[in-house]
Amino acid sequence: SQQGEEDPQALSIQEGENATMNCSYKTSINNLQWYRQNSGRGLVHLILIRSNEREKHSGRLRVTLDTSKKSSSLLITASRAADTASYFCASAWTDKLIFGTGTRLQVFP
Amino acid sequence: EAGVTQFPSHSVIEKGQTVTLRCDPISGHDNLYWYRRVMGKEIKFLLHFVKESKQDESGMPNNRFLAERTGGTYSTLKVQPAELEDSGVYFCASSHKIGTGAKNIQYFGAGTRLSVL
Repeated sequence: SQQGEEDPQALSIQEGENATMNCSYKTSINNLQWYRQNSGRGLVHLILIRSNEREKHSGRLRVTLDTSKKSSSLLITASRAADTASYFCASAWTDKLIFGTGTRLQVFP
Repeated sequence: EAGVTQFPSHSVIEKGQTVTLRCDPISGHDNLYWYRRVMGKEIKFLLHFVKESKQDESGMPNNRFLAERTGGTYSTLKVQPAELEDSGVYFCASSHKIGTGAKNIQYFGAGTRLSVL
């Protein structure tokens, strides 16, 4: 299977804490993307990091990419209850996205 | 601007029946994708249209699935006959720009939850 993996599968934290999710992928990539899915909703694009980039920031999000280890991490700082959702990494070599297994994040007020 | 819309949001059918899912991409987007998430597993790619042409259909599971995009606008995904293992959430996405190495942000619909009994 070409699908990636994410860990942890589930993460529960208190508001204000940081949340870190890790993703491993199997194929060569041009970019890696992170998406969020709220219950019953579609996937929302969060951030894209190119294969020649090592770190990228967007608001409270920080993404790192290590192509030698075929891994990426997503850090959400100062989490909020509204961050409760499932988070997916998706690697892209061609135009199709190859998704990881996802991390379910629960942020308690 | 309207986002990607999918219809129906939920479909319950019996094994052996036919179901047609519809996706309306964001206006002006040439690229349209279908994905599905079966039994809580990974989200898997099904196929990719560029306008009305199938660019990549490597993810289509078998010949019970037929996708069309007449006129390069909306797309339909028909499952005939449906089997129990087809149950899951079917997502549609669209994007504007194509090409390796270029940004390819895909905008997803809310999905159609298909339950085959």
